Amino acid sequence: GENVEQHPSTLSVQEGDSAVIKCTYSDSASNYFPWYKQELGKRPQLIIDIRSNVGEKKDQRIAVTLNKTAKHFSLHITETQPEDSAVYFCAASTPPDSWGKFQFGAGTQVVVTP
Amino acid sequence: DVKVTQSSRYLVKRTGEKVFLECVQDMDHENMFWYRQDPGLGLRLIYFSYDVKMKEKGDIPEGYSVSREKKERFSLILESASTNQTSMYLCASIVSRWGQGNSPLHFGNGTRLTVT
Repeated sequence: GENVEQHPSTLSVQEGDSAVIKCTYSDSASNYFPWYKQELGKRPQLIIDIRSNVGEKKDQRIAVTLNKTAKHFSLHITETQPEDSAVYFCAASTPPDSWGKFQFGAGTQVVVTP
Repeated sequence: DVKVTQSSRYLVKRTGEKVFLECVQDMDHENMFWYRQDPGLGLRLIYFSYDVKMKEKGDIPEGYSVSREKKERFSLILESASTNQTSMYLCASIVSRWGQGNSPLHFGNGTRLTVT
């Protein structure tokens, strides 16, 4: 089955700097890769996703890149702000066969210091 | 906006008790899921259901069962709670897979269960 590895487990950045979180997956059939942000005491919420037919996607200060050959994808946050502090999870799935059945990375605790 | 509601935010139960975790979604989603969240392990799928009365095992089903009697409600059952089931439990739902392409999960706020 699919296995997703996420690095680093913790990431401290100065406000205004960039943050990068990397994930690798094992199943070459995986074709959908969402990223979730979980603030302390709250539910995970989707912040950006990418499909296997796209190499890069941006939404304001966040972007995701996908390298299908190497089987890895990354989250990039630019101009970090204190409200970016949270745990970030990457995930992978192979819809429609495994609809909703995501394999998650272990999470990255991001701390943005003013 | 999709709303997934878990009935309890915090639960404390004793070893051996039967525990029910309830989840309700209001968007008529066919598909519902129970994940368990532990530090350093991310989210792991326990059970899921693609329709009423249907259930399928996820990656870590041992010690759990589920019930889906109504479309909007999906219950997770710990038949005999053990201390290693102390965890955060997250319910989620997702739109129908047919003709929808890819779609993200919508999560509830979670139930933090402590088994003593």
